[in-house]
Amino acid sequence: EDKVVQSPLSLVVHEGDTVTLNCSYEVTNFRSLLWYKQEKKAPTFLFMLTSSGIEKKSGRLSSILDKKELSSILNITATQTGDSAIYLCAVEGDNTNAGKSTFGDGTTLTVKP
Amino acid sequence: EAQVTQNPRYLITVTGKKLTVTCSQNMNHEYMSWYRQDPGLGLRQIYYSMNVEVTDKGDVPEGYKVSRKEKRNFPLILESPSPNQTSLYFCASSTYGDTQYFGPGTRLTVL
Repeated sequence: EDKVVQSPLSLVVHEGDTVTLNCSYEVTNFRSLLWYKQEKKAPTFLFMLTSSGIEKKSGRLSSILDKKELSSILNITATQTGDSAIYLCAVEGDNTNAGKSTFGDGTTLTVKP
Repeated sequence: EAQVTQNPRYLITVTGKKLTVTCSQNMNHEYMSWYRQDPGLGLRQIYYSMNVEVTDKGDVPEGYKVSRKEKRNFPLILESPSPNQTSLYFCASSTYGDTQYFGPGTRLTVL
C-alpha cells in the first residue's frame, strides 16, 4: 500500500524563523512529488519535484527531492504570519498507477507575530 | 478563466438519500480525481479517471460511485449516504506531468 508520511504534524514558530518540513514516501511507480499549501480552502500548488538533488525555489520557499532516501524537504526562510497554513505533500504514480495520488496528513504551520 | 467547479458547495442531507456532487473543468484535462478531507488528515483519493470511460478506485472508494461520460465532467455519486461520509470533498483535474487543479470544495453533512 502506498504511504506518505509528513513530519512534524504541527509546528509553531515566530516570524523570522526558518522552518523545515519533511515528507517521506513509499509508493509503487513513482512519477513526481508535489507540495501544496492549504489555507482554509482548496490546496494551492507550490512545487513539483521529479528529479533527485535539484532544488526548486520560489521566493522564501524551496524544496528538494532525495529519491535514494525516498524523501523531500520544504524549507521556508524568514517566515511571515501569512505562511500559516497546512502544507501537504503528495506523491503521484506512473505507468499502471498513472492518476493515483497519495497525500500525507499535512504539517500545520503556525507563525506567530 | 481556467477552473474546476463543484456543485453544490454546501449540502446537508439525511442518511440514505441519494445525492450527486458535480465537478466540471474547462482545461481539457484528461485526469480527474475526487478526494475527501477529514480533520487532521490529508486528502484521501476516492476515485480517479484517466480519460473518458476510464476510472479506477483510489484509497477510500467504499460507498461512492463515479462516471466519466464526457471529458469535462466527473460527478461523484453517493447512492445511500451515511454519517461517516460527512466530510469536505474536493474535485481535481490535471494533465499528465502537471500539477492538479482543485475545485473550491463541497462540504457535505449527512445526518
